[in-house]
Amino acid sequence: QVQLVQSGAEVKKPGASVKVSCKASGYTFTSYDINWVRQATGQGLEWMGWMNPNSGNTGYAQKFQGRVTMTRNTSISTAYMELSSLRSEDTAVYYCARGAYYSNWGQGTLVTVSS
Amino acid sequence: EIVLTQSPGTLSLSPGERATLSCRASQSVSSSYLAWYQQKPGQAPRLLIYGASSRATGIPDRFSGSGSGTDFTLTISRLEPEDFAVYYCQQYGSSPSDTFGQGTKLEIK
Repeated sequence: QVQLVQSGAEVKKPGASVKVSCKASGYTFTSYDINWVRQATGQGLEWMGWMNPNSGNTGYAQKFQGRVTMTRNTSISTAYMELSSLRSEDTAVYYCARGAYYSNWGQGTLVTVSS
Repeated sequence: EIVLTQSPGTLSLSPGERATLSCRASQSVSSSYLAWYQQKPGQAPRLLIYGASSRATGIPDRFSGSGSGTDFTLTISRLEPEDFAVYYCQQYGSSPSDTFGQGTKLEIK
């Protein structure tokens, strides 16, 4: 069965960077886009961007341009999302999701930004 | 960027009743690339509907989606206790970005 397993919770200081991983299994990794979505506590879903694991092409939401980088390692079927210059407002659960419409989701990774 | 507006913000109904959730787009959603998700506390969202009206794998037939252009609806024909959750609409595949609505909370009356 399709699974997306994300890395564990992170605590970072303001100004630092975080890199979240998303390991895919149960399907051909390079055949479906990976999207990243975040959700602050008690808030809605916010789309951050997408990556084509085959080509490495990416597209980012305007809000995160210059701060977010999405990459992949096809040999281990893993996608990564790195967010830099962290601030307290970046505290949220970060999700990866598979496909044009998000048919499968990772379990989420809590990133806490605090001094 | 397409802005999605969901209504109502909160819907209070009883089990067995019919729920109608609305999602309105600021401009036409191409090829009906509109999806609906259900999210329960502490869980990742779950895909319910894609392509405006196609049910995802394993989704009960009491969930149905309709609409085109700028107006879309998610209907739950007879509410079960496990259906009380937050529902999001999403448009996908439209450059430059995917977007989500702000969500509708479906609560037990």
